[in-house]
Amino acid sequence: SQKIEQNSEALNIQEGKTATLTCNYTNYSPAYLQWYRQDPGRGPVFLLLIRENEKEKRKERLKVTFDTTLKQSLFHITASQPADSATYLCALRGYSSASKIIFGSGTRLSIRP
Amino acid sequence: DAEITQSPRHKITETGRQVTLACHQTWNHNNMFWYRQDLGHGLRLIHYSYGVQDTNKGEVSDGYSVSRSNTEDLPLTLESAASSQTSVYFCASSESGTSSYNEQFFGPGTRLTVL
Repeated sequence: SQKIEQNSEALNIQEGKTATLTCNYTNYSPAYLQWYRQDPGRGPVFLLLIRENEKEKRKERLKVTFDTTLKQSLFHITASQPADSATYLCALRGYSSASKIIFGSGTRLSIRP
Repeated sequence: DAEITQSPRHKITETGRQVTLACHQTWNHNNMFWYRQDLGHGLRLIHYSYGVQDTNKGEVSDGYSVSRSNTEDLPLTLESAASSQTSVYFCASSESGTSSYNEQFFGPGTRLTVL
């Protein structure tokens, strides 16, 4: 069955450093990979999308890579700030616009001052 | 501004009762989704709809039902609440069409406790 794995343990990073989160998947060939941010008590918020034919996508301090050979995406936050502390979810979608999005369980990121 | 709202935000009910969670979006999106989120499981899809009168089962649909009578609303009904359905429920919507990113816009969630 399709499976998405994210770091189950929380990631603790010193402010100013680069945080790197991992998303691995199996038994799936996604057309798109999305990253969402979720704060406690709130719904997820979309951050970035990367297509299967894109190696890298950037948005301000965020960078996402997508390696379809390794079946892995890396999500980087550079110059991390305490306000970046949240849970980050990766999600996969197939080619069809009717494809459902499958979510990983998320990685909790804590940035300490 | 367009938004997606859920009500109630918190609900406590008893085993065996019927419960309906409301979801309303003003994005005019065709696609709407219901998820549950439990520790260690992430977001799991319960039901989804691609338009009025269309409903589909997700991976954890047993014990739940939805109906779509208009574009804005997708209520989720627990026919006979069970303790295993204690969870946080999120509603989401997205545009349809191959040219869109299909990013999902989520509501604030409903925390349901079944005693």
